[in-house]
Amino acid sequence: EVQLLESGGGLVQPGGSLRLSCVASGFSFSTYAMTWVRQAPGKGLEWVSGVAGSGDSAYYADSVKGRFTVSRDNSKNTLFLQMDSLRADDTAVYYCVKNSGYIALREIFEYWGQGTLVTVSS
Amino acid sequence: EIVMTQSPATLSVSPGERATLSCTASQSIDNNVAWYQQKPGQAPRLLIYGASTRATVFPARFSFSGYGTEFTLTISSLQSEDFAVYYCQHYYNWPPWTFGQGTRVE
Repeated sequence: EVQLLESGGGLVQPGGSLRLSCVASGFSFSTYAMTWVRQAPGKGLEWVSGVAGSGDSAYYADSVKGRFTVSRDNSKNTLFLQMDSLRADDTAVYYCVKNSGYIALREIFEYWGQGTLVTVSS
Repeated sequence: EIVMTQSPATLSVSPGERATLSCTASQSIDNNVAWYQQKPGQAPRLLIYGASTRATVFPARFSFSGYGTEFTLTISSLQSEDFAVYYCQHYYNWPPWTFGQGTRVE
């Protein structure tokens, strides 16, 4: 059974940083791309970032480019999202997602974690 | 960026009735669209992708049609567990992978 467990969310001031983690189990982590999707309170879904199975290729939404960095540690089955220069509009539940393929392109979002809430407020 | 537009925003139906949800892409995406179901307080779940491939956990009353820019999700006979928000999303060509704004089935 695929399981994705996010952690690291919380309250942070504007301009601050936060690092999200997602521990994966139930599948061969290194052979699948992974994705972060967020959902602002009461709003829809927004793709944030994706990373290939190797970790060599990563993609970002324009809204987070230059501020967020996705990475992975395949030896620990863990996905990360380093979030810097946080803004109020980054407030959202952040979901860790397992892709259907390896390269993080043209793939569907097969399995979702339960999410971790990030609140950016002074 | 490809814009995905869903209609209606809210669909009011009774159990046992048929529900038809629409999703329009701002440019052709072939059949590279997925649908997700999200219930209150829960994470989204993959429902359907590609031409008509249902995720295994969902029953046959969920079906999908469309190609190019117009897509439809049909629930043939609504059950109580089907009341949720449904999102379409494209995975065509290159990111950003955008979602529609969602249709709430109530």
